[in-house]
Amino acid sequence: GAGVSQSPSNKVTEKGKDVELRCDPISGHTALYWYRQSLGQGLEFLIYFQGNSAPDKSGLPSDRFSAERTGGSVSTLTIQRTQQEDSAVYLCASSWTGQGTNYGYTFGSGTRLTVV
Amino acid sequence: SQQGEEDPQALSIQEGENATMNCSYKTSINNLQWYRQNSGRGLVHLILIRSNEREKHSGRLRVTLDTSKKSSSLLITASRAADTASYFCATVNTGGFKTIFGAGTRLFVKA
Repeated sequence: GAGVSQSPSNKVTEKGKDVELRCDPISGHTALYWYRQSLGQGLEFLIYFQGNSAPDKSGLPSDRFSAERTGGSVSTLTIQRTQQEDSAVYLCASSWTGQGTNYGYTFGSGTRLTVV
Repeated sequence: SQQGEEDPQALSIQEGENATMNCSYKTSINNLQWYRQNSGRGLVHLILIRSNEREKHSGRLRVTLDTSKKSSSLLITASRAADTASYFCATVNTGGFKTIFGAGTRLFVKA
C-alpha cells in the first residue's frame, strides 16, 4: 500500500488477556520500528527490525512483550497477560535504510490499546 | 532513556509570529530529524539534517544543528493556526538505525 497500515486502530482488552497488534509497512522499506506513546508523552522505543531480524530489542519493557516480522514485511507485536500500564498508543514506522542509516520514517496511525 | 530533550515543553503564539523550538541530545549522531504530530496519532516527517550540515530550509521551516553543543533548533516562520501540533526531534545514532525521540514541544497557534 501507499502508507504504513496498523490494525486494529483501537483495542480494548481485559487485564490478563493477550493482544496482537499488526503493522504492514511500506513495500520495499527494509527497516520497521515499534514505539509506544502514553498520553501526552514522547515516543518510547520498543524494537526495530532490519529485514526479519531484530538487532535491537532493548526497548521491550518486559518479557510479556514480543515481536516478529515475517517475509521482510508484516510485523506483529504481542503483549501477553496485559496490564493496565500497557495502555498506550502503539506506533509502527518503516523506513528505507540506504547507505546504512535511517533517512526518515513513515508512521502508521497507531493502535490505541486500553486495558481495563 | 530518551536522548532528545525539547524545550519549551509548550509554546503559545499568535498567528503570523515565528515559533522556535530547541532540542538537545547526548551522544554522537548520524542525523537529526524533526516530526509533527496531530491528535496524538501518527507522526509526519518534516525535515532531516545530517551531522555534517549546519542549517537546512524547507518552506517555512528552518533547522539548525550545532554538533559541538549537541543541539538543534526548529524555526517555523509566519505561523498559521494549522501549525498547531506537537513537534518532536529524533536523533539517529552513528550506527544509523536506532532513532530516539524527545518528549516533544506542544505548539498552539492562536488565530
